[in-house]
Amino acid sequence: GENVEQHPSTLSVQEGDSAVIKCTYSDSASNYFPWYKQELGKRPQLIIDIRSNVGEKKDQRIAVTLNKTAKHFSLHITETQPEDSAVYFCAGRSTDKLIFGTGTRLQVFP
Amino acid sequence: NAGVTQTPKFQVLKTGQSMTLQCAQDMNHEYMSWYRQDPGMGLRLIHYSVGAGITDQGEVPNGYNVSRSTTEDFPLRLLSAAPSQTSVYFCASSYSAGGRELFFGEGSRLTVL
Repeated sequence: GENVEQHPSTLSVQEGDSAVIKCTYSDSASNYFPWYKQELGKRPQLIIDIRSNVGEKKDQRIAVTLNKTAKHFSLHITETQPEDSAVYFCAGRSTDKLIFGTGTRLQVFP
Repeated sequence: NAGVTQTPKFQVLKTGQSMTLQCAQDMNHEYMSWYRQDPGMGLRLIHYSVGAGITDQGEVPNGYNVSRSTTEDFPLRLLSAAPSQTSVYFCASSYSAGGRELFFGEGSRLTVL
């Protein structure tokens, strides 16, 4: 089955800097890779996703890249703001299962 | 439109007790799932369902049962609670299993003493 690994587990950046979170997956048949943001005490919410037929997708300050050959995908946040502070989860879909990484706690300092 | 509703929000159990976490969605979603969230472990899939009458195991199914008699409801049963089942449980649903946004409930915090 699918296994998703996520790094780093914690990330601290200065406001305005960029943040990058990386994930690798094991199942070459996986074809859908979403990213979820979870603020403290809240439920996870989808922020961006990418399908295996696309190499990059952008939405304002966030972007996701996918390298199918290497089986890894990354989340890029530019011009970080304090409200970006949260836990971010990557995930990969294998058959009908959405498998999550272990999460990255991002802290953005003013 | 309430989305995904979980009850209870908090529960304390003693080892060996049984309980059911309720999950209901009003979005006519075919796909429903249960995850548990533990510090440093991310979100781990317990069980999932691709439609009424169909359920399957996720990554960590032991100690949990599910059923899906209607499209709207997907209860999670703990038959004999153990301290290792202390966790935050999230129910989530999506239109289908095929790469669509998962909508999460608010979570249920369970403590097993």
